Amino acid sequence: DIQLTQSPSFLSASVGDTVTITCRASQGISSSLAWYQQKPGKAPNLLIFGASTLQSGVPSRFSGSDSGTEFTLTISSLQPEDFATYYCQQHDSFPLTFGGGTKVEVK
Amino acid sequence: EVQLVESGGDLVQPGGSLRLSCAASGFTFSIYAMGWVRQAPGKGLEWVSMISVSTETTNYADSVKGRFSISRDNSKNTLYLQMNSLRAEDTATYYCARKRVVPAGRNFFDYWGQGTLVTVSS
Repeated sequence: DIQLTQSPSFLSASVGDTVTITCRASQGISSSLAWYQQKPGKAPNLLIFGASTLQSGVPSRFSGSDSGTEFTLTISSLQPEDFATYYCQQHDSFPLTFGGGTKVEVK
Repeated sequence: EVQLVESGGDLVQPGGSLRLSCAASGFTFSIYAMGWVRQAPGKGLEWVSMISVSTETTNYADSVKGRFSISRDNSKNTLYLQMNSLRAEDTATYYCARKRVVPAGRNFFDYWGQGTLVTVSS
């Protein structure tokens, strides 16, 4: 199975900050990575797929990139509605796997 | 508007069974692969199962293989998850999710239901 290691697990930031979350895959997954945002008591929301393709309707302050087995989600100019937990998911092969999550909290 | 509405979650004893349903509306259900993802209280997301458009292909997480069965009724726009031999560690909110139709062969989810809670406890 492909393991995804997210870091950090928690991140404190302020409105206007640029934040970066990393997801490292245990083996090559050829850009097959998605990012989701989840707010308390709500279902996850797809942000990015294919490592860097923005889902329709997602603000452009969200961006994704990859370098080998390391993937990055960047949120530029953090907004109040961005405080949430973020998960990566590999969509290269079964079983599908998720990272452990990164909670972005208010500093 | 795409809607996925799960139902069937309940309190069940260890070893018991439960069937979850997910009613889909607002899109052509029969052309989308579908899946289930769960989340234990206070924990992260765990993929459970996925079914193809035609039901020919199903996939399961090792943790549920042999105990859970995914199915769909395209005439009723409904996805199901039959859960047998339930264990305490199956306690979670179960989300129904739609696989994005493109790119083909890449399994990630563009719409999710609100979830239904399954509690396995004596």
